[in-house]
Amino acid sequence: QQQVKQSPQSLIVQKGGISIINCAYENTAFDYFPWYQQFPGKGPALLIAIRPDVSEKKEGRFTISFNKSAKQFSLHIMDSQPGDSATYFCAPRASGSARQLTFGSGTQLTVLP
Amino acid sequence: GAGVSQTPSNKVTEKGKYVELRCDPISGHTALYWYRQSLGQGPEFLIYFQGTGAADDSGLPNDRFFAVRPEGSVSTLKIQRTERGDSAVYLCASSPGTGSEQYFGPGTRLTVT
Repeated sequence: QQQVKQSPQSLIVQKGGISIINCAYENTAFDYFPWYQQFPGKGPALLIAIRPDVSEKKEGRFTISFNKSAKQFSLHIMDSQPGDSATYFCAPRASGSARQLTFGSGTQLTVLP
Repeated sequence: GAGVSQTPSNKVTEKGKYVELRCDPISGHTALYWYRQSLGQGPEFLIYFQGTGAADDSGLPNDRFFAVRPEGSVSTLKIQRTERGDSAVYLCASSPGTGSEQYFGPGTRLTVT
């Protein structure tokens, strides 16, 4: 059972454009909704995260929009830069004792100069 | 400060051999996680330690996989009778406590020939 569905699989954006990545989940026991950024040869790094009691969170050029009733959340990257080119993962966290992350399949973002 | 380190960075082994992968977490972090990332996929949870004990090993795929953390710091993931399907990047993450941000290491790329 695929608990987290992420789209699109790949995305190409011009410099200065807006990148939008979507994540849909099934498990209502998730209670923390982060996005991770991963560069080749590196481990994932936390980019931005939201808790389910708010609908939007903005940090610089990065915004998370969260729709609890639809069980969806999205990442918006404003003024996309070539340095943003990386793979992005949604990774909602379970509310159980381990609090492990459940990663989506990833979105490879390419920002053209 | 020093982040999570993993050794070796790359490991090539023959089918049927035994391998050990090491994780050095951030000093003082009590929670430690192992994830496995297959090519083109998001990481998948394997096992979680709180202190010295494996608090949740529900993600281990079968009994060929085992992990230890004897002193509550360094952890070793052990794989017996390796199979070609075990080829992946094995990621370690540590956290100051369960429910806090997880910091990932660069991973060990395991190739089983």
